[in-house]
Formats: sequence, structure tokens, C-alpha cells
Amino acid sequence: AQSVSQHNHHVILSEAASLELGCNYSYGGTVNLFWYVQYPGQHLQLLLKYFSGDPLVKGIKGFEAEFIKSKFSFNLRKPSVQWSDTAEYFCAVNARYTGNQFYFGTGTSLTVIP
Amino acid sequence: EADIYQTPRYLVIGTGKKITLECSQTMGHDKMYWYQQDPGMELHLIHYSYGVNSTEKGDLSSESTVSRIRTEHFPLTLESARPSHTSQYLCASRNTRDQETQYFGPGTRLLVL
Repeated sequence: AQSVSQHNHHVILSEAASLELGCNYSYGGTVNLFWYVQYPGQHLQLLLKYFSGDPLVKGIKGFEAEFIKSKFSFNLRKPSVQWSDTAEYFCAVNARYTGNQFYFGTGTSLTVIP
Repeated sequence: EADIYQTPRYLVIGTGKKITLECSQTMGHDKMYWYQQDPGMELHLIHYSYGVNSTEKGDLSSESTVSRIRTEHFPLTLESARPSHTSQYLCASRNTRDQETQYFGPGTRLLVL
């Protein structure tokens, strides 16, 4: 079975600080990779996704993530966070050709202090 | 904006009661999912469906059951609720033609006393 590890459980940053959230997965085959965000009181929503092509993918609100196949990683980054980025962030993986199931990490709670 | 709905949003119920959590989507998606989410934990898949009359159990064992009689509707039922069922339940759907993206509902927070 696949698994997803998010190393940072709670992150607190000041506005304008840079952000990097780690995500590693375990699966030997071809994968689709996702970052979801859950703002307080709202649905989980897709932040960005990687299927193929350029390993550096850009999502909404200035977020980007880089797929490094050799490291089984898909870290999320943002150069300058805002107070409105305060949310829970989940990394997820799905086996591209065989997977109907999605596997999620435990989530990282990000608090941005104004 | 994804059109996937869950009711109720919050439910407090006594032990032994039968409950059904509703999930509906208006996007015509073939695949639907139920996840259980506890604070600080990953989302655990408890049930999924490939389409009408197709249901499968996920990795997390669950005492709940599901049905998929119509494409848009995927209810989850607990025959006899227990305090260990207290959790948040998230419904999701996806269309395999939409590049694998899952769309999530707002969730149902269940408290069993």
C-alpha cells in the first residue's frame, strides 16, 4: 500500500516569511501528486497537482511544488506567506494507472502571524 | 466551485442510534469516496464507489455501510452508533476524465455520546 509522510505537523510563520512544507510518499510506480488546503471552516480544496511534464508545478495563490522522483518528494513552497494562508495543508498521492484510492498525509497546520 | 453537498453538517446522537450521513454531487462524477478525518491524522478511506451498484471498502475498517443506487447519491449508514464513531466524515467525488482531481464536500462532524 502507498503511504504519505508530512514531516511538519505545526508551522508558525510571520507574514512575508518563506514557506516549505515537506511531503514524501512510498510507492514504486507512477503517481499523481496533490496538495489540498483546508481553510478554517471550509471544504478541502485543490491547491495544485502533478501528473506529468515539468516537475515544478504552480498552483493558486502563489504556491508551487516540486516533484523530485529520486527522493519520492513533492514539497510545497511559497516565497512570501500572508495571514490568509493560515490553513491545514494535506499532501496526497494516487497510483496513476491502477489507483482508485487516494492516500493522504496527516496534514500540516500553518499559522501565519500578521 | 465543486457542487458536492453533505448533510447534516453537525450531528450529536446517543449510543445505539442508527444514522445516515448524506452525500450528493451534481457533477455527474462516477467515482465517490467516504473518508474519516480525526484531528492531526491523515484522511482514512472507509468506502468508495466506481459507479452505480458498485461499492468497495477502503483501507480503514469501518462498521458503516454505503449504497450507490444513483450516480449523484452516496449515503453512509451506521446501524448502531458508538462513541468510537465520533469523527469528521468527508465525502468526495471525481470524474476520471477530469485528471484524477477529487472534489470534497464540507464534511459532517459526528459526536456520539
